[in-house]
Amino acid sequence: EAQVTQNPRYLITVTGKKLTVTCSQNMNHEYMSWYRQDPGLGLRQIYYSMNVEVTDKGDVPEGYKVSRKEKRNFPLILESPSPNQTSLYFCASSPSDRVERQYFGPGTRLTVL
Amino acid sequence: DQQVKQNSPSLSVQEGRISILNCDYTNSMFDYFLWYKKYPAEGPTFLISISSIKDKNEDGRFTVFLNKSAKHLSLHIVPSQPGDSAVYFCAASSSGAGSYQLTFGKGTKLSVIP
Repeated sequence: EAQVTQNPRYLITVTGKKLTVTCSQNMNHEYMSWYRQDPGLGLRQIYYSMNVEVTDKGDVPEGYKVSRKEKRNFPLILESPSPNQTSLYFCASSPSDRVERQYFGPGTRLTVL
Repeated sequence: DQQVKQNSPSLSVQEGRISILNCDYTNSMFDYFLWYKKYPAEGPTFLISISSIKDKNEDGRFTVFLNKSAKHLSLHIVPSQPGDSAVYFCAASSSGAGSYQLTFGKGTKLSVIP
């Protein structure tokens, strides 16, 4: 089954404790992206990657890091999480020639205390 | 600056009637528009799209209309069904060189009442 998976689905952590949210897709897509969804703000892009070793900032990259060492994986790293990073996070992927039609993962709900 | 605007946070419609969700954009470089649908506890899923060279695209019960001069698009759902109850996001992209981003609106929560 073609899908985008994220782990964990739920995470409660404390300020300053480094964490990684994993994202994996099995569709051989070149393009992958991370979004956060906040009440009243909709979906905002954090980082995206056009292919292995190629990443770029989205609209709200501050406080986040990403890496793309393999085509299928695109982890999101919060080196020192803060309460304002409490949010619902979505990973997405698409073929590079259809970036506008993205397949989304189920989401990771992160709470930073 | 919000480039894609969905000014109605919520909409309630009777089952069988038409649902009309609206979206406005400000960036004249946008040339491809999409609607995504999101159920609780799931990721958004692609619903329908339209290129700026068209003014209408239809897929079953769903039709998207684009008015480029007004920088406005709308999604019509006819007839509305209870299973259509979800949050609908309008999104836009530009095919310009180096543009690999989707810009989303804040979403409109549609409730279809049986």
